[in-house]
Amino acid sequence: GAGVSQSPSNKVTEKGKDVELRCDPISGHTALYWYRQSLGQGLEFLIYFQGNSAPDKSGLPSDRFSAERTGGSVSTLTIQRTQQEDSAVYLCASSLAHSTPYEQYFGPGTRLTVT
Amino acid sequence: GQQVMQIPQYQHVQEGEDFTTYCNSSTTLSNIQWYKQRPGGHPVFLIQLVKSGEVKKQKRLTFQFGEAKKNSSLHITATQTTDVGTYFCAGPLDGNKLVFGAGTILRVKS
Repeated sequence: GAGVSQSPSNKVTEKGKDVELRCDPISGHTALYWYRQSLGQGLEFLIYFQGNSAPDKSGLPSDRFSAERTGGSVSTLTIQRTQQEDSAVYLCASSLAHSTPYEQYFGPGTRLTVT
Repeated sequence: GQQVMQIPQYQHVQEGEDFTTYCNSSTTLSNIQWYKQRPGGHPVFLIQLVKSGEVKKQKRLTFQFGEAKKNSSLHITATQTTDVGTYFCAGPLDGNKLVFGAGTILRVKS
C-alpha cells in the first residue's frame, strides 16, 4: 500500500516568509510525528499527534512553529516568519500507536532552505 | 525530560571489521526499536525488542535488549559498504511518545 507522503519535497523560501509543509500518513495510523533533521544531525522531535488527544507540542522550538492534524489524517506544519536556522529536512512519521510492533513509517521529508 | 542516549556518535571502520552501537535509557523501556538511515534517505525500521535479555539476529546484525530493559546494543559482524548510514535506537517514553537517540554514524572504508 501507499506509504507516508510529504509535500513539497523541496522548498526554498526567503527569510521572513511563512511556509506550510504537508504530511499524508498511512491510512489508519493514529499516531503522527514531526521531526526536524539538520545536515548530519539526529532527529529533533517537534510535535506528536495521537488520535483525538491533545497534541504533544513540547518539541516545537518557538511560537513561530505550529501544526495541525485535520480529521485525524493529514497534517500541516506551519513555520511563520522563517529564519535561516529553520533550514533543515522536516520528516513526518506515522504509526499504529496501540499495536505492536508499532514501528514508525517515515516519509521522504521536505528539505527547507531559507535564504 | 526522559532521554535515550546513544554512543558512539561516529565510527569509521575498515570493511570486514565489526561495529557496535550502544543505547541507554534513563528509565525502563517497554520496548526498544532500531532504525537505519542511509545517506540522503529517511529512517527505516529494522527491529523491535520487547523482552528482558532478548537477542535477535538479522543476518550479520545482532540486536540485544538488556536485562533491566534500560539499554540495548546493535552489533554488525564483518561490516560491508552497504552498512553505511546512521543507526538510531528509539524507545517509548513520556507515555507513548517514541524518543530517538542521537544516532551513530557508520562509515566503512573499502
